[in-house]
Amino acid sequence: DVKVTQSSRYLVKRTGEKVFLECVQDMDHENMFWYRQDPGLGLRLIYFSYDVKMKEKGDIPEGYSVSREKKERFSLILESASTNQTSMYLCASSLGGPNQPQHFGDGTRLSIL
Amino acid sequence: AQSVSQHNHHVILSEAASLELGCNYSYGGTVNLFWYVQYPGQHLQLLLKYFSGDPLVKGIKGFEAEFIKSKFSFNLRKPSVQWSDTAEYFCAVNAGDTGRRALTFGSGTRLQVQP
Repeated sequence: DVKVTQSSRYLVKRTGEKVFLECVQDMDHENMFWYRQDPGLGLRLIYFSYDVKMKEKGDIPEGYSVSREKKERFSLILESASTNQTSMYLCASSLGGPNQPQHFGDGTRLSIL
Repeated sequence: AQSVSQHNHHVILSEAASLELGCNYSYGGTVNLFWYVQYPGQHLQLLLKYFSGDPLVKGIKGFEAEFIKSKFSFNLRKPSVQWSDTAEYFCAVNAGDTGRRALTFGSGTRLQVQP
């Protein structure tokens, strides 16, 4: 069974801090994704990666960056955290093709004070 | 750009009632369609998917969905819900003919099943 592990379930940070969210998958998936989930808005794509060192912006990339140095690990970085980035962050991975289902981690609930 | 609409934001049903959750998307080409479920405190799980073939797709836990291309719809159905179906349900789509791998999600439908 595919396992997508996010490093923290809950995280509290302060405005202006640089925040790192880590995600690891154990199934050698090519694609990895970061979403944020907000009530009434569903999931919105922040960034995704289809290979090591490759990344593409999603629908809401402003204020975020990503890093994929190894195939199994995809990091989301909040360069200077702001209160409007308080949210649930979900990582997902999938095999290569567009019809492949995504497998999700448990999520990180991030609060920016 | 694709978009996905889930018109029912919150649905309350009694056990044994039938369920239909609406999902409409906006994209004129080939699509891959998914329904995911998120049980309280758990991660999103795939319920079912459609990318070609029979437009009536069966998934886990007795769920099914029908792809109607002319209506740009992919509604989720279950003939008889159980209390354990209480969860949030998300419809998602990507454009199959562009090779886009990322999904566009709807805003979700929260289902509450009363015993």
